[in-house]
Amino acid sequence: QEELVESGGGAVQPGGSLRLSCAASGFSFSNYGMDWVRQAPGKGLEWLAFIRYDGTKKYYADSVKGRFTISRDNSKNTLFLQMNSLRAEDTAVYYCAKELDSLRFFDWPSPHMDVWGKGTTVIVSS
Amino acid sequence: SSELTQDPAVSVALGQTVRITCQGDSLRTLYATWYQQKPGQAPLLVIYGKNNRPSGIPDRFSGSNSRNTASLTITGAQAEDEGDYYCNSRDISSNHLVFGGGTKLTVL
Repeated sequence: QEELVESGGGAVQPGGSLRLSCAASGFSFSNYGMDWVRQAPGKGLEWLAFIRYDGTKKYYADSVKGRFTISRDNSKNTLFLQMNSLRAEDTAVYYCAKELDSLRFFDWPSPHMDVWGKGTTVIVSS
Repeated sequence: SSELTQDPAVSVALGQTVRITCQGDSLRTLYATWYQQKPGQAPLLVIYGKNNRPSGIPDRFSGSNSRNTASLTITGAQAEDEGDYYCNSRDISSNHLVFGGGTKLTVL
């Protein structure tokens, strides 16, 4: 079945960096746009970034633009999120999510995310 | 504005009908997408597009739009429907996705 498994979370000091990975299985990863979404403790969902199925288009939320970079390796069925200049407010569970529709012509992210990983926890604290 | 506004909490008696709403300017032209999240779990897609349910989502869940407000209706709420519900949509000007603040549903 379709599955996403995040890894790479952990504790880091403010100003530090982490690289999250999301391993995909059970579907043709290279055909789907992918997103990162996070959830701070006790808070709601926050969309962070989108990458088109072929990696040619990326979008970022204002809160992470310039600090976070989304990328993908379609040969390894893996999505990444490079997080730099981390702040306390980046503390959250980070989810990767797959778009519902394959090979979407449009460049922009779709709000339809039908497969989610279980999340990986990032704690930014001194 | 790209914001989506949801009521923080809603309750419903077991077996009754409940409507969860989401307001925002983007909803005048785009449909809302709805997710259910239970404690300690990842979000689950329940409604997308005009009123589409992914495989496995019970038909008691339905979606609708009117002007700038989207609604998720649960007809005959069950105990297992308790959880947080989030709407989301795309801001047309920025192409960013936006989530509503979430609504905590309690089934009494």
